[in-house]
Amino acid sequence: DQQVKQNSPSLSVQEGRISILNCDYTNSMFDYFLWYKKYPAEGPTFLISISSIKDKNEDGRFTVFLNKSAKHLSLHIVPSQPGDSAVYFCAASWGYGNKLVFGAGTILRVKS
Amino acid sequence: NAGVTQTPKFRVLKTGQSMTLLCAQDMNHEYMYWYRQDPGMGLRLIHYSVGEGTTAKGEVPDGYNVSRLKKQNFLLGLESAAPSQTSVYFCASSYRARGMVADTQYFGPGTRLTVL
Repeated sequence: DQQVKQNSPSLSVQEGRISILNCDYTNSMFDYFLWYKKYPAEGPTFLISISSIKDKNEDGRFTVFLNKSAKHLSLHIVPSQPGDSAVYFCAASWGYGNKLVFGAGTILRVKS
Repeated sequence: NAGVTQTPKFRVLKTGQSMTLLCAQDMNHEYMYWYRQDPGMGLRLIHYSVGEGTTAKGEVPDGYNVSRLKKQNFLLGLESAAPSQTSVYFCASSYRARGMVADTQYFGPGTRLTVL
């Protein structure tokens, strides 16, 4: 039973355009949501997060939107750059111990 | 400041052999975690620790044991390795208090384990 789902295995975008990565979740107990970026042969690195009491958080080119009623969040990257090409994981945090539940990831390719 | 380090980076085992993966962090984080990542799947939590001397089971704990004898170290053990444990293992750490910054986990570079 996947509690965090990323239904698009891959996404290809032209440099300079917007990249939109989507994530759905099922557990109402999740109270923080995070996006991680991962390059091959490296560990995931934190990108941006959002609390369940907010609906938007921005950090430079990256914006995360949260729609609690739909149990859906999305990551917008504007403008997309070739260096953004990586695997993006959506994760949700809950409960004691700050445990994270991860989606399967979306491979983003930004073409120059 | 090295962050989170993992030893070894690569390992090949035969079925039935045992090994220990070491994770070390220098950020004075209270919480530490072990995940595994398999193709087509996200990271899955194996075990975690909320402080020195404590451990707890995650989503996929079977076949693994852990110990946290020192705050900065978190060890993952495989007593009798099986081919199903072929995976990439990631260690992570975070602050204790809840909150946007505290929920951020910092990951090591991973250990690629193959069990033949």
